[in-house]
Amino acid sequence: EIVMTQSPATLSVSPGERATLSCRASQSVSSNLAWYQQKPGQAPRLLIYGASTRATGIPARFSGSGSGTEFTLTISSLQSEDFAVYYCQQYYNWPLTFGGGTKVEIK
Amino acid sequence: EVQLVESGGGLIQPGGSLRLSCAASGFPVSGNDMSWVRQAPGKGLEWVSVFYSGGSTYYGDSVKGRFTISRDSSKNTLYLQMNSLRAEDTAVYYCVRHGSGSYFDCWGQGTLVTVSS
Repeated sequence: EIVMTQSPATLSVSPGERATLSCRASQSVSSNLAWYQQKPGQAPRLLIYGASTRATGIPARFSGSGSGTEFTLTISSLQSEDFAVYYCQQYYNWPLTFGGGTKVEIK
Repeated sequence: EVQLVESGGGLIQPGGSLRLSCAASGFPVSGNDMSWVRQAPGKGLEWVSVFYSGGSTYYGDSVKGRFTISRDSSKNTLYLQMNSLRAEDTAVYYCVRHGSGSYFDCWGQGTLVTVSS
């Protein structure tokens, strides 16, 4: 099983600032990496797939990068609606696995 | 509009059984790979099972032998039959559609399953 590790667990950021979230895989997943956003009481929402392709309707301030074992989600200028928990997920191998999440909170 | 609506969750005693349903609209479940993903209270996400469009099914180790995924194309619905339920199965269960890869581009609102005596 591929273990996905996200850091930090919590990120405190002021509105308008840049946020950088990390995701590391225990072995290479190539570019088979997705990012999701989850707000309290809601289902997750797909943000990024293929490590760097934004899903339909996702604002350009969200960007993904990386390949192999190291990945980054960047939110260029945090808006109030971006404070949430973010998960990465690998789909290179079965079972599909998620990271433990990074909570982005208001500083 | 593409939509997934789960139902069937509730409170069940350990060792009991429950069947979850996921009604899809806006696309055919038979033409897409579909999965169940769960989230224990206050915890992260765990993939549970997949039903490939071609008919193959796979399960996570934690549910293998206890859960069965199925679909009814005539009702455009995905199911998850859960037997021998344990306290650790307590979670919100999400029905999800796979994108062009095995990432999840559409999620239902989730249904809560609580296993407790």
